Amino acid sequence: EAQVTQNPRYLITVTGKKLTVTCSQNMNHEYMSWYRQDPGLGLRQIYYSMNVEVTDKGDVPEGYKVSRKEKRNFPLILESPSPNQTSLYFCASSSDRVALGEKLFFGSGTQLSVL
Amino acid sequence: GDSVTQMEGPVTLSEEAFLTINCTYTATGYPSLFWYVQYPGEGLQLLLKATKADDKGSNKGFEATYRKETTSFHLEKGSVQVSDSAVYFCALSPNFNKFYFGSGTKLNVKP
Repeated sequence: EAQVTQNPRYLITVTGKKLTVTCSQNMNHEYMSWYRQDPGLGLRQIYYSMNVEVTDKGDVPEGYKVSRKEKRNFPLILESPSPNQTSLYFCASSSDRVALGEKLFFGSGTQLSVL
Repeated sequence: GDSVTQMEGPVTLSEEAFLTINCTYTATGYPSLFWYVQYPGEGLQLLLKATKADDKGSNKGFEATYRKETTSFHLEKGSVQVSDSAVYFCALSPNFNKFYFGSGTKLNVKP
């Protein structure tokens, strides 16, 4: 089954404790991206990757890091989480025809709470 | 910059009522436009899309027409069902790699 898998589904942590949210897709997609969803703001793009070793900033990259060492995986790293990073996070992937309107496939989300 | 504005919710309708959710956008060039739907506890799913002016996207009884003259992409359905209750997001993609989403509109359909 084609899917985007995120882990964990829920995460509670404390300020400053490094964490990683994993994302994996089994569709051989070149494009992957991370979003955060906050009430009243919709989804905002954090980082995206067009292929292995190719990443770029979205609209809200501060406080986040990503890496793309393998095509299927795109982890989101919070080196020193802060309470304003409490949010619902989504990973998404797509084929390289993003420019022509191919759809994004979303994971089920990770609810992060930073205390 | 590029952005999407959609009507605030929640929208509450009775079953079989007509639905319109307004969406307008700001973008340079010719972006692709999308409607995504999010059911409780799930990620977003593509509902429909349009890639050029005057295109009509349609799926599951929902429709939206890409109107460049009014920079709009309003979502419509002639007869909603309880199972349509969800949050609906309008989105645009202006180039090869970025997507911009609206703030979402929650739809509640009552039997």
